[in-house]
Formats: sequence, C-alpha cells, structure tokens
Amino acid sequence: DAKTTQPPSMDCAEGRAANLPCNHSTISGNEYVYWYRQIHSQGPQYIIHGLKNNETNEMASLIITEDRKSSTLILPHATLRDTAVYYCIAGLRTPLVFGKGTRLSVIA
Amino acid sequence: DTGVSQDPRHKITKRGQNVTFRCDPISEHNRLYWYRQTLGQGPEFLTYFQNEAQLEKSRLLSDRFSAERPKGSFSTLEIQRTEQGDSAMYLCASSLGSSNEQFFGPGTRLTVL
Repeated sequence: DAKTTQPPSMDCAEGRAANLPCNHSTISGNEYVYWYRQIHSQGPQYIIHGLKNNETNEMASLIITEDRKSSTLILPHATLRDTAVYYCIAGLRTPLVFGKGTRLSVIA
Repeated sequence: DTGVSQDPRHKITKRGQNVTFRCDPISEHNRLYWYRQTLGQGPEFLTYFQNEAQLEKSRLLSDRFSAERPKGSFSTLEIQRTEQGDSAMYLCASSLGSSNEQFFGPGTRLTVL
C-alpha cells in the first residue's frame, strides 16, 4: 500500500467548505484512494473512494489530481457534526492501513 | 448504527486475566476484520476472516491472541494473560467480498489494570 501524508490538524468555520489534502506520491496505477472518518468514541466510517476520476456522493467530493499523487476530500458545507479525524488510505489489498489522519475541528 | 455490533462495549480486567470479545457483522457480509486502536493512533489491523477461514494475521497478533469465526457469522477475539499494553480499543469491521468499504462496529474498550 502506498504511504499517505496528511496534515495533523485543520480548522474550518461552520457552513464553509472543508478541504482536506492527502499526499500519496507513491501510489501505483491500480491502487484506490479511500477516505474514512472517525468521530470521537465511534468506529471509523467510510466516506468515499476513487481511482482516477473525481467522485461525489451525499457526504463529500473526492478530487484526485491527474498524476494521482495527491487528492483532496471536500465537505461542501461543514457542520459541527463533521468534527472528526479523517483518514486517507491509498491501497489495493485488504486490509486497510490507517495512518494518523487529520483532526478536523469545525468551529461555530 | 452501521449494523455491526460488538460486545461488551467496555471491559476492565486485571493483568493476567483472560478476556473475550464478540463481534456480530452485517449478516450478508462474508469478510470480518479485527483492528486495535490506541490513543492518538489510527486503527491497526490484527486479523481477518473470509467466511470461517482466517486468511491473514498481523505480526501484532501475539500467541496470547486468538480469533475465531466458527460458522462464518459472528467472531470472537480472545486475549489470554492480559498485559497493560493490551489496553486499547478493539474494533471489528465487516465487508462484502474484497470491497474496501468496511463497516465498523462501535468497538470494545479494554482497560487492563
């Protein structure tokens, strides 16, 4: 699995877009990018994944650069309930390999 | 609620005691995973099953740890002769096939005194 690098923490104002970056410069051609989040005292929750194209679902958008060396998770209108640790994972095989993630604090 | 349940949610034990945790995955999911998470770290993989077969074990899974999934449904994780270093959150997850969309349970928090 490719190594990922994320900032340890970020703040975002409530109602604004939260843009969480992830660097995965060693990703191979068939490895996906996955995003999970973990709200305090809960298990991780799947958000979204992608291979090459940008993806969007009801929770977030995933923007992957053309060279696939980095990606950005976008929460379009962050709420206080989005405060969590966000994990970016680049890989193909089971199981998931989590790093330390980015702690996102949404501020009222 | 993801549909994955774990029991108990909290366990406090004394060093040297044995403990057993249970995980009930989403019923149609054939893969079941165990992870361990310590404070400030992301979850670390321990082992996983496809149906009743244990397909992979991490080096983190010492001889004191054993996991079973006897009928391909629920799973148990047993830790023998617990040590203070075993204190952690133990997470269970399930998935359908090899999909990396894993659904996690709420975890069992173990405290070893």
